Amino acid sequence: GQQLNQSPQSMFIQEGEDVSMNCTSSSIFNTWLWYKQDPGEGPVLLIALYKAGELTSNGRLTAQFGITRKDSFLNISASIPSDVGIYFCAGLRMDSSYKLIFGSGTRLLVRP
Amino acid sequence: DAGVIQSPRHEVTEMGQEVTLRCKPISGHNSLFWYRQTMMRGLELLIYFNNNVPIDDSGMPEDRFSAKMPNASFSTLKIQPSEPRDSAVYFCASSLDPPQPQHFGDGTRLSIL
Repeated sequence: GQQLNQSPQSMFIQEGEDVSMNCTSSSIFNTWLWYKQDPGEGPVLLIALYKAGELTSNGRLTAQFGITRKDSFLNISASIPSDVGIYFCAGLRMDSSYKLIFGSGTRLLVRP
Repeated sequence: DAGVIQSPRHEVTEMGQEVTLRCKPISGHNSLFWYRQTMMRGLELLIYFNNNVPIDDSGMPEDRFSAKMPNASFSTLKIQPSEPRDSAVYFCASSLDPPQPQHFGDGTRLSIL
C-alpha cells in the first residue's frame, strides 16, 4: 500500500492562480520525484530532487526536497488550462534504490 | 527521442484467456519496471528487471502472472488464465541504473469480462 500522504486530493482553481501541493511521510526518503498524469496516458516526470533542502524549477513548476527528508512540495505558478491533470509525488526510501512509493495524487482542475 | 512503447493500448478479453502485454524500453536504459494502476490501490510495482534479470518480483500478485525480458529492448507481462479482478491499467517504465528517474509508457488498459 501507499505510504505517502499527498494533499490536497483535488483542487479547482481559476486560471492564473498559483497552486501548492505536498507529500509527507513518516519515513526518510533519498529521492523525491513529481509526475503528472493526463487521462489515458502514463505519468510524465516533471521534477527530480536528490538532496535535502534542494529547490528545483522547471518552467512555472518549482519543487522542494524537505529538510527533514520526510516531505516534498510542488508549486505551480500562474496556472493555465493545460495544467489540468493528476499530480503524483513519488519517493525512494533509503532502504531501496528502485522501489518508488507513490502518493495518492492531487487532481487539478483549472477554470479558464 | 522515442519513449517507452507499450502495446496493445487497449485489450478486452474474456475470463480465462491468456493476455500478453508488451513493452519496449527507452534505448540505453538497463532497468525495466512493470506497474499496475487501479483506483483502489494506485500504482503498484509488479516486477523490476535490471540488465534483463528479474531482481524483485515480490509484487506479482499470483502465479497466473509472469514476466520475461529476453533482451534489452523487449519485455512481456503475461496473465494466464485472466480473471475480471485483473482489469486495470498496466504500465511499463524504464530507467538507467536506479536511483535514476523512471520514465513511463502510456499503458495498456486491460478489461477482463
